[in-house]
Amino acid sequence: EAQVTQNPRYLITVTGKKLTVTCSQNMNHEYMSWYRQDPGLGLRQIYYSMNVEVTDKGDVPEGYKVSRKEKRNFPLILESPSPNQTSLYFCASSRTGGGRDTEAFFGQGTRLTVV
Amino acid sequence: LAKTTQPISMDSYEGQEVNITCSHNNIATNDYITWYQQFPSQGPRFIIQGYKTKVTNEVASLFIPADRKSSTLSLPRVSLSDTAVYYCLVGDRPGGGADGLTFGKGTHLIIQP
Repeated sequence: EAQVTQNPRYLITVTGKKLTVTCSQNMNHEYMSWYRQDPGLGLRQIYYSMNVEVTDKGDVPEGYKVSRKEKRNFPLILESPSPNQTSLYFCASSRTGGGRDTEAFFGQGTRLTVV
Repeated sequence: LAKTTQPISMDSYEGQEVNITCSHNNIATNDYITWYQQFPSQGPRFIIQGYKTKVTNEVASLFIPADRKSSTLSLPRVSLSDTAVYYCLVGDRPGGGADGLTFGKGTHLIIQP
């Protein structure tokens, strides 16, 4: 089954304690990205990756890091989480090429609370 | 980057046809129009995509006029389970990125019995 898998689904952590949210896709997609969703603000893109070792900032990259060492994995790293990073996070992947086939597949979401 | 405008919310009843219109006045030549559906605390799910005229699949139709400055998502005979937020996206980069897909605030569709 084609899917994007995020872990963990729920996480409560303390300010400053480094954490990683994993994302894996089994569709051999080249594009992967991370979004955060906050009430009243909709979905905002954090980082994206067009291929292995190629990443770039989205709209709200501050406080986050990503890496793309393998095509299937795109972890999101919070080096020093702060309460304003409390949010619902989604990972997405899609095929390369642009134009048609631009369907993006989203993970189940990770609800992060930073206290 | 083409910005989209869609109604914040809409109400309808079971069994009715629902049409949600999205404006995208500065759509670029290479841009496609894509609609996603999102239920609470779940990731968005692809519904339909089109470039011009009409596209139909098993869940919806998408109508795009010749000037492509707007599009209308049509949901036939809605049910309570169609209550969700619907996003209209315009872009040519599948994964998003600074010049690709951007999610607006979407249309919150509420279906009543």
